[in-house]
Amino acid sequence: DAGVIQSPRHEVTEMGQEVTLRCKPISGHDYLFWYRQTMMRGLELLIYFNNNVPIDDSGMPEDRFSAKMPNASFSTLKIQPSEPRDSAVYFCASSSGLATSNEQFFGPGTRLTVL
Amino acid sequence: QKEVEQNSGPLSVPEGAIASLNCTYSDRVSQSFFWYRQYSGKSPELIMSIYSNGDKEDGRFTAQLNKASQYVSLLIRDSQPSDSATYLCAVKLLGAGNNRKLIWGLGTSLAVNP
Repeated sequence: DAGVIQSPRHEVTEMGQEVTLRCKPISGHDYLFWYRQTMMRGLELLIYFNNNVPIDDSGMPEDRFSAKMPNASFSTLKIQPSEPRDSAVYFCASSSGLATSNEQFFGPGTRLTVL
Repeated sequence: QKEVEQNSGPLSVPEGAIASLNCTYSDRVSQSFFWYRQYSGKSPELIMSIYSNGDKEDGRFTAQLNKASQYVSLLIRDSQPSDSATYLCAVKLLGAGNNRKLIWGLGTSLAVNP
């Protein structure tokens, strides 16, 4: 199994630019999560999907952030326009609703720097 | 007030000692509890989960849960330098059937000295 795949691994952009982060969950997993991690705020859940449907987006900071999951094998997190305070590591994770452990498997993350 | 609290550390222990990591949570309807390990520059990975009061052992790791005191801990016996990492406590609240939201602590940094 390839695990959760994220791209790009690193992104450096200038303030005001659009940023799109991509995620491919583990095949067969029906839950997909987007997290943001910073030193100050730790790991924060932004949004999660079940069977491609958003379940909880209460962590999305503001309208500049949007997430989509057009099919079971692909999701995007878009920031438009980006700001320096969006600089963080963004993780995608997936899990199986059939598993009793509720374990979330994390991708390698995308390190975003907004100048 | 953060819903899941952890001592940020760093917690420093000598090799072979027991490392004790603690986590408190504020919501009494918390249902499930998880310990994730995160090496520097890497992603979190699950090492233990616990759902009922008492102890749960897995190799060198023991998770302890006390719901009355709203407290969960992780003990690492015979600590090794490879255990040096940040340990994240996560809590899942009771909710609808498709609820999978975890509330995360900021993590405790552990350093095991050879």
